[in-house]
Order: sequence, then C-alpha cells, then structure tokens
Amino acid sequence: AQKVTQAQTEISVVEKEDVTLDCVYETRDTTYYLFWYKQPPSGELVFLIRRNSFDEQNEISGRYSWNFQKSTSSFNFTITASQVVDSAVYFCALSEARRGGADGLTFGKGTHLIIQP
Amino acid sequence: ETGVTQSPTHLIKTRGQQVTLRCSSQSGHNTVSWYQQALGQGPQFIFQYYREEENGRGNFPPRFSGLQFPNYSSELNVNALELDDSALYLCASSPRSGGPNNEQFFGPGTRLTVL
Repeated sequence: AQKVTQAQTEISVVEKEDVTLDCVYETRDTTYYLFWYKQPPSGELVFLIRRNSFDEQNEISGRYSWNFQKSTSSFNFTITASQVVDSAVYFCALSEARRGGADGLTFGKGTHLIIQP
Repeated sequence: ETGVTQSPTHLIKTRGQQVTLRCSSQSGHNTVSWYQQALGQGPQFIFQYYREEENGRGNFPPRFSGLQFPNYSSELNVNALELDDSALYLCASSPRSGGPNNEQFFGPGTRLTVL
C-alpha cells in the first residue's frame, strides 16, 4: 500500500532563513508521481510541483527547490530566504500510475511552517 | 477560466442527519475527486468520478456516496452523520487525459461540523 510520511509536524524559523521540509514515501509501483501542495489558512490547496518517478532531476523555481532521491524514497522541499508569506501547511502527496490515477492522491499529514518576522 | 467552486462554505448538522455537498469542476475538466480532511491531518481520498461513474474509492463506508452530472459537476452525500464526519471536504478536478500525473485543482472546501 502507498504511504507518505512527513515527520516534521511543525517548523518555526525566522524570516530569511532557509528551511527544508522532508517527505518520505512508500509504493510498490515503479511508475508514480509525487506532488507538493501548499495550504494557507484559507484552506484551499495550492499546487506547487509534480515529479514522475523517472525524473530524478532536482528542480528550482525561484526561492523553491525540490530534491528527489529514489534511493532513499524521499522528495524534499527547500525554501531559500523564507518570507512571512511562506507560512502555511505544506503537504507531500503520491499518486500511483496503476488504474490511471483512479485511486486519488495519498497525502502526508503535512508540515506546518511558521515564518516569524 | 473559472476555478473549482464548492458550496456551501460552512455547514452545521446534527448526528444522524444527511448532508449534500456540491462541487463545480474547472472548465474542461471531466474528472472530480473528493477528499476528507480532518483537523490537523492530510486530506484522505474518498472517491473519484469520471464520465458520471465512480471509478475509484478510498477506505470510506457506503454511507458516503456521490454523483457526477453531465456538466461534470459533482455531489458528495453523507448519510447517518457521525461526529467523526466533522471535517473540511475538498473537491478537486483534473483533466482525464494524463491520468495520475495531472495536477488536481482543488476548491476552497466545505467545512462540515456535526454536533
């Protein structure tokens, strides 16, 4: 069965510090997709990134970067020079390719990130 | 382009009652998924609808049921409400073409409180 673990329940840093959110996943499929979503206090989940299991290249988007390592089943998310607006709950999620995604996304429990001014 | 919308925003029900939540998918999206998010937890997959049929279901009892209409909008129905059903219910739509690699676009959610 698929599983996503986000061991960090809450992280608090001071603005401008770098912060890394950890994500470890379990799946028996060889083809799968990994996602990160941001959930601000308003509640709506905002898509940040998608990665497929065959693409281990790290990705950078502005202050955000993602490190995907199949060898350790991890898909970590780093925010560089954090800002107060980055405060939110961040979710890592997994989708297996079998059944064409009909089994939905499996989410971790989320990491509550607090950026203090 | 209109995003995913959900109604109502908030709802208060009593244990044993029935509730219907509604979702309008994003334009061009024919797949709708529903998730339950308890306080302090990640969303949990309830079921997915494609072409008006349920084509995937998570670990939820039969009293959770749904519908999808020809315009791809969807309803989530919960019968015999229990206190543990109190949660944020999220609807997500996606285009079907890419299957699991398509990002799912989430609505703002309906906050259900069962007393």
